[in-house]
Amino acid sequence: QQQVRQSPQSLTVWEGETAILNCSYEDSTFDYFPWYHQFPGESPALLIAIRPVSNKKEDGRFTIFFNKREKKFSLHIADSQPGDSATYFCAASRYNQGKLIFGQGTKLSIKP
Amino acid sequence: EAAVTQSPRNKVAVTGGKVTLSCNQTNNHNNMYWYRQDTGHGLRLIHYSYGAGSTEKGDIPDGYKASRPSQENFSLILELATPSQTSVYFCASGPDTNSDYTFGSGTRLLVI
Repeated sequence: QQQVRQSPQSLTVWEGETAILNCSYEDSTFDYFPWYHQFPGESPALLIAIRPVSNKKEDGRFTIFFNKREKKFSLHIADSQPGDSATYFCAASRYNQGKLIFGQGTKLSIKP
Repeated sequence: EAAVTQSPRNKVAVTGGKVTLSCNQTNNHNNMYWYRQDTGHGLRLIHYSYGAGSTEKGDIPDGYKASRPSQENFSLILELATPSQTSVYFCASGPDTNSDYTFGSGTRLLVI
């Protein structure tokens, strides 16, 4: 049973466009939602995270949009750069439990 | 510099053999985790620990044991390795209060 679902599996956008990666979850007790990115041959690294007290979190070109009612959240990467090409994982956890449940990942390719 | 170090980086094991994957962290985090990464499945939690002497089952614990002898060290043990356990294994550490993991570099395991 997949508690965190991610789509699409792969995504290709042109340099300068906005890439949109989507996630949904089932457990309403989840209250922490990070995104990790992973470059080929490397380990995952935290990119940005949100708690549902807010429906939006920005960090430079990266923005999380959160919809608690629909149990969905998305990562928007504005002005995509070839260096953003990586696999992106969304995840969810319950506060103070620490244990993360990851989505299946989205492989993002940015065409120059 | 605080870090999570995994050993070995690569391992070839024979079916039915015993395999031990090691992880050491200098972050002084209470929580440590073992995940495996497979294409199409993302990162799946095998075992985790809230501190020395404690281990908990994750989402896919069958065929694996874990050991947390100290704050710094967390091992994953495959008593009878099978080809289905061929994967990339990541160890991570994190603080109690949130899920901001620091991942190790990963161990690539091939069971033949």
